[in-house]
Amino acid sequence: KAGVTQTPRYLIKTRGQQVTLSCSPISGHRSVSWYQQTPGQGLQFLFEYFSETQRNKGNFPGRFSGRQFSNSRSEMNVSTLELGDSALYLCASSFWDRSQETQYFGPGTRLLVL
Amino acid sequence: SQQGEEDPQALSIQEGENATMNCSYKTSINNLQWYRQNSGRGLVHLILIRSNEREKHSGRLRVTLDTSKKSSSLLITASRAADTASYFCATNFLQGGSEKLVFGKGTKLTVNP
Repeated sequence: KAGVTQTPRYLIKTRGQQVTLSCSPISGHRSVSWYQQTPGQGLQFLFEYFSETQRNKGNFPGRFSGRQFSNSRSEMNVSTLELGDSALYLCASSFWDRSQETQYFGPGTRLLVL
Repeated sequence: SQQGEEDPQALSIQEGENATMNCSYKTSINNLQWYRQNSGRGLVHLILIRSNEREKHSGRLRVTLDTSKKSSSLLITASRAADTASYFCATNFLQGGSEKLVFGKGTKLTVNP
């Protein structure tokens, strides 16, 4: 099976812009989670989607949003970008529950906000 | 917070030596997971150990869990230069009626050839 894919791999934006990142999970996986990784804060959970519904949400402002499509592909959107949003954004998929089973991570999208 | 904390933050060893990393946490967990991350890339799942298990093996990896001490350790035996990476523990627990999975900040392992 193909692994988790994320597009784009690298992105440069300026403050105030918005960005959309995409994640395609492993075929058959219905749970997709998003994480933000920075040197200072480490790996922080953004949200998890299962069958097109947000199942869990981390402590991020409303500028961060996501959605999942019927084919389990997921997108996350960050509006009104801030310098502090510069990070590696990781997507992970699992069959049904990210907490109880193996998560498979994509390579990440590295976002730089200038 | 419930966040698992890895110890040490950084570890440098010679090829062939064993590497031990520890993870401590604060409240009861359902399971604990270890992941590896090569520089700037996605994480790779290594092992999941449930709260009723005490030890698990996978190849050169050995994970132990001591729920009385709220700690886990990851042992990599006969290390190789390719083991150079950051290693994270993640704890799964119930909070406010929902499942949480929280990652620690990791141990950066360097294996010198």
